[in-house]
Amino acid sequence: QAVVTQEPSLTVSPGGTVTLTCDSSTGAVTSGHYPYWFQQKPGQAPRTLIYDTINKHSWTPARFSGSLLGGKAALTLSGAQPEDEAEYYCLVFYSGTGVFGGGTKLTVL
Amino acid sequence: EVQLVESGGDLVQPGGSLRLSCAASGFTFGGSSMSWVRQAPGKGLEWVSTVSDTGRDTYYADSVKGRFSISRDNSKNTLYLQLNSPRVEDTARYYCMKGGWGSICDHWGQGTLVAVSS
Repeated sequence: QAVVTQEPSLTVSPGGTVTLTCDSSTGAVTSGHYPYWFQQKPGQAPRTLIYDTINKHSWTPARFSGSLLGGKAALTLSGAQPEDEAEYYCLVFYSGTGVFGGGTKLTVL
Repeated sequence: EVQLVESGGDLVQPGGSLRLSCAASGFTFGGSSMSWVRQAPGKGLEWVSTVSDTGRDTYYADSVKGRFSISRDNSKNTLYLQLNSPRVEDTARYYCMKGGWGSICDHWGQGTLVAVSS
């Protein structure tokens, strides 16, 4: 089974910009992997932010955006808010089988 | 409003069996793939399994293949996960998620706790 890798932790200043990435052991992440991004705060269920690489749900704050960057899926947060401090997970599909990344703990400080 | 309510989590002995359920409402259940995702205490998310909208196609993580079985009853708007021969390492909160291969992943339940211990 493939391994998906994320930065274990990142720090961003309030109002700043940060990019989280999602890498696949099988090669470049493409739109055909339908990459997702989820946010999870302590004690809560995950929440879906981005689907199919770039698409946002109605509840996704506009400051979050998804893309492909250098063969990886990427989540960019522009104008970080204190409430964005959370764990972020990517999910990649390999023809039906899903694999989550290990998660990135994002600190807003 | 989409609602996903998991149930069935319990303390189970290694080698035993357990069935989890997820009652869905607020959307056309038979029109969406459904998935189970788990999270061990203090650990990250792990995709477990997906079933297609009709129930015909199923997908499993290598870690549970041959031991767990996903199914659905579209007449009851309910998703199931049968855990056979669970291991200590299957201890986790199990989340029901709307979506998976073939359908957009969007809503999550609050999860149900499974503890595998003798």
